Amino acid sequence: DIVMTQTPLSSPVTLGQPASISCRSSQSLVHSDGNTYLSWLQQRPGQPPRLLIYKISNRFSGVPDRFSGSGAGTDFTLKISRVETEDVGVYYCTQVTQFPYTFGQGTKLEIK
Amino acid sequence: EVQLVESGGGLVQPGESLRLSCAASGFTFSTSWMTWVRQAPGKGLEWVAHIKQDGSEKYYVDSVKGRFTISRDNAKNSLYLQMNSLRAEDTAVYYCARGLQLLHWGQGTLVTVSS
Repeated sequence: DIVMTQTPLSSPVTLGQPASISCRSSQSLVHSDGNTYLSWLQQRPGQPPRLLIYKISNRFSGVPDRFSGSGAGTDFTLKISRVETEDVGVYYCTQVTQFPYTFGQGTKLEIK
Repeated sequence: EVQLVESGGGLVQPGESLRLSCAASGFTFSTSWMTWVRQAPGKGLEWVAHIKQDGSEKYYVDSVKGRFTISRDNAKNSLYLQMNSLRAEDTAVYYCARGLQLLHWGQGTLVTVSS
């Protein structure tokens, strides 16, 4: 199974400042079709997860442009350019390149 | 507007069965892979199973293989998860999600397995 490792597990951030979350996979996430199926999810307190970013860097519909994704191969990053109150929650990376599909442990974003 | 509404959760004893349903609307259900993901209380996310558009392919995480069955009824825009021989470690909120890239999620339904 591909293991997804996120760092940090907790990230206190000042409002208006940037935040960055790293996700590393134990194997390359490049699929045989050439795509890299790495996504980022956000789960606000008491809410279901929602998709933010898919295939490394594609923002899903309705996601603010302060969220961006980057990376390749086994190393990926989610960046928030200026953290807002509504960004508080847990962020997960997930891979759907190789079954069983797996998630990172989650990174808790909180406001300082 | 895409909506996914799960139902069927509840409290059951170990060894018992439960059938979860997910009613979909706002998109063409019959053209979407569908997925079940679960989240144990206070824990992270775990992929449970997914099913191809026509139901011809089904995949399960090892921990539920042989006990859970995913199915769908495209005429009813509905996804199901039949859970048999439930264990305490199956206690979780179960979410249905659209596609393999988890485009949309339902609110989830809580399954508690306890004696």
